[in-house]
Amino acid sequence: DGGITQSPKYLFRKEGQNVTLSCEQNLNHDAMYWYRQDPGQGLRLIYYSQIVNDFQKGDIAEGYSVSREKKESFPLTVTSAQKNPTAFYLCATAPGTLEKLFFGSGTQLSVL
Amino acid sequence: SQQGEEDPQALSIQEGENATMNCSYKTSINNLQWYRQNSGRGLVHLILIRSNEREKHSGRLRVTLDTSKKSSSLLITASRAADTASYFCATDSLTTGGFKTIFGAGTRLFVKA
Repeated sequence: DGGITQSPKYLFRKEGQNVTLSCEQNLNHDAMYWYRQDPGQGLRLIYYSQIVNDFQKGDIAEGYSVSREKKESFPLTVTSAQKNPTAFYLCATAPGTLEKLFFGSGTQLSVL
Repeated sequence: SQQGEEDPQALSIQEGENATMNCSYKTSINNLQWYRQNSGRGLVHLILIRSNEREKHSGRLRVTLDTSKKSSSLLITASRAADTASYFCATDSLTTGGFKTIFGAGTRLFVKA
């Protein structure tokens, strides 16, 4: 897990509520990514950012939002528009494009 | 969408045996990477192979890449119980939004002691 901190480890969301997952890194990496993993499945890309103040949608961005105001931080908000949010969320960083990813330890989000 | 597809989905072997996992992908790539994930944890990078490379080794790991067949394989030799995990291939490709890393669904490896 190295210098990537995801919090909280477990999170519960009520109906109609927005929740924010935190991802902080001290690796000085430019690129940051959010992936969603459903049980027994691979990772699907939600959003990614290759530089501060810029980010792009991944394959499943609907119902999610992000910001990249600081190099160290890339929070993910799961909005009430995301009707099936229960999943394991993984944040990753990379020094740049086409380089290996470093992963955080993940946040398990469940719906109450 | 998932670019890579791993085969088999699950694999059970005895300690000491070799384990081979395969990955196929659909579009042209710049790199292909293999990652490992223990249950409920983040992924750990194992090896990266560039599109102009055909084979790479790292300890007990051997990765091959055949760009003409759009496929890669990961071989773990002399497996140990501690190798029990899920293994994912990931492809790096240039898209309209820039370079993206896309993961397959993974192979779940169980090594029996």
